Amino acid sequence: DAGVIQSPRHEVTEMGQEVTLRCKPISGHNSLFWYRQTMMRGLELLIYFNNNVPIDDSGMPEDRFSAKMPNASFSTLKIQPSEPRDSAVYFCASSPRQGVSGNTIYFGEGSWLTVV
Amino acid sequence: DAKTTQPNSMESNEEEPVHLPCNHSTISGTDYIHWYRQLPSQGPEYVIHGLTSNVNNRMASLAIAEDRKSSTLILHRATLRDAAVYYCIRLGAGGTSYGKLTFGQGTILTVHP
Repeated sequence: DAGVIQSPRHEVTEMGQEVTLRCKPISGHNSLFWYRQTMMRGLELLIYFNNNVPIDDSGMPEDRFSAKMPNASFSTLKIQPSEPRDSAVYFCASSPRQGVSGNTIYFGEGSWLTVV
Repeated sequence: DAKTTQPNSMESNEEEPVHLPCNHSTISGTDYIHWYRQLPSQGPEYVIHGLTSNVNNRMASLAIAEDRKSSTLILHRATLRDAAVYYCIRLGAGGTSYGKLTFGQGTILTVHP
């Protein structure tokens, strides 16, 4: 079975450029999460969706970050304009259904972003 | 605020059991205890979870204290592939915390050959 698929796996971009990270959750999963990982701050939840609707975006660092989920099989995380401090690994994750604390959350392999 | 406390690091020898402790003294009655691990250069991976009773699966065992204020992840025979950062996470059952994992710093497990 295909897991959570993220693209690109690695991206190097110049400061000020727009960055779009993409995610395909596991088929049938209702919840989708975007996390960011840095050495300084560890793993942080940026935003999560349930049934394609953003439920909690309190972790989005600032207006330069935006996330969309136009359908159940696709989500994007966009940074515009990008800054060097955005350099991190961005993980997408999905889980089968909301509201069940015993649920397992499945992570993708991450998108490694470097902004120079 | 991850609301769990774990040692920063632990070491083990290959094929020996490993007991990874976690304190969650402020846990509520409906919070689940989840364990995830992150191997180098990979995304976090689910290991095990429980509520009150001890749990076993093919990867590990989870022993939960009777008062639920602490738990221990047990790897019965550590292998080199078990070297990872292990995260103990409380997962709440209410409101917008549904399914929302809050990661702490975790325990870095080193396995020696």
